Amino acid sequence: RKEVEQDPGPFNVPEGATVAFNCTYSNSASQSFFWYRQDCRKEPKLLMSVYSSGNEDGRFTAQLNRASQYISLLIRDSKLSDSATYLCVVNIPGRDDKIIFGKGTRLHILP
Amino acid sequence: DAGVIQSPRHEVTEMGQEVTLRCKPISGHDYLFWYRQTMMRGLELLIYFNNNVPIDDSGMPEDRFSAKMPNASFSTLKIQPSEPRDSAVYFCASSFSPNQPQHFGDGTRLSIL
Repeated sequence: RKEVEQDPGPFNVPEGATVAFNCTYSNSASQSFFWYRQDCRKEPKLLMSVYSSGNEDGRFTAQLNRASQYISLLIRDSKLSDSATYLCVVNIPGRDDKIIFGKGTRLHILP
Repeated sequence: DAGVIQSPRHEVTEMGQEVTLRCKPISGHDYLFWYRQTMMRGLELLIYFNNNVPIDDSGMPEDRFSAKMPNASFSTLKIQPSEPRDSAVYFCASSFSPNQPQHFGDGTRLSIL
C-alpha cells in the first residue's frame, strides 16, 4: 500500500455543487495532516490543516478518520476559482520525521 | 513579509551543463526541503535539511545531484552534468518543523535540451 494515495481525478463538478474527495494513508502512527492547493504552473499552498475533531474554514471542511486511515476534504457551493489540484499531506513519524505529499486530485469546476 | 525565494525562475540549458538552483528560506524556519515535480511522478522530496544539516537525501536521484546549505539563509541544488530527463519544476520549501506546514517558493522551471 502506498504511503499516501489520492484519486487523481479529474473531478468535473458544476458550479455551486458540493464535492468531496478522500486521501488514504498507510502509517497508523501519522499525526499531522494537511490539505494543500496547487494551481496550474504555481507552487503548492497550504489550504488547511486537518484536526482530529474535524475543522471548517468557510466553504471547506476537513475531516480525519483514524480507524479507516483517511482524511477528506469537502467543498460546498463550489466556485470556478476552486478549480485546482488538491494535495493531501501526511507525516510519517520515525527517527527523522518525513512529510509525504500525495499526487493530488484535479478538480474542474464547470460554469 | 518575505516568503521562500528561489532563483532562477526559469532555466534553459543544454545537456551536460552544470545547473545551480538557489533558495532562501523564510527567516526562523529550521527546516528546508527540495522537491522535484513532474506530471508523471508528482511532487518528489529530494532532500531536506535541519539547521543546515542534511537529514534525508534518499530522494536524490543519483550522484549527479548534490545539495548544500552553507548557512541558515541559503541553499543550493546542483545538477552536474545535466540530462534532458532532469527537466522538471524544482521547488524549495521551508518550515519550523517537519510536522508543521511547509511554505513553498515559486519554483524553478528547468528545461534541459
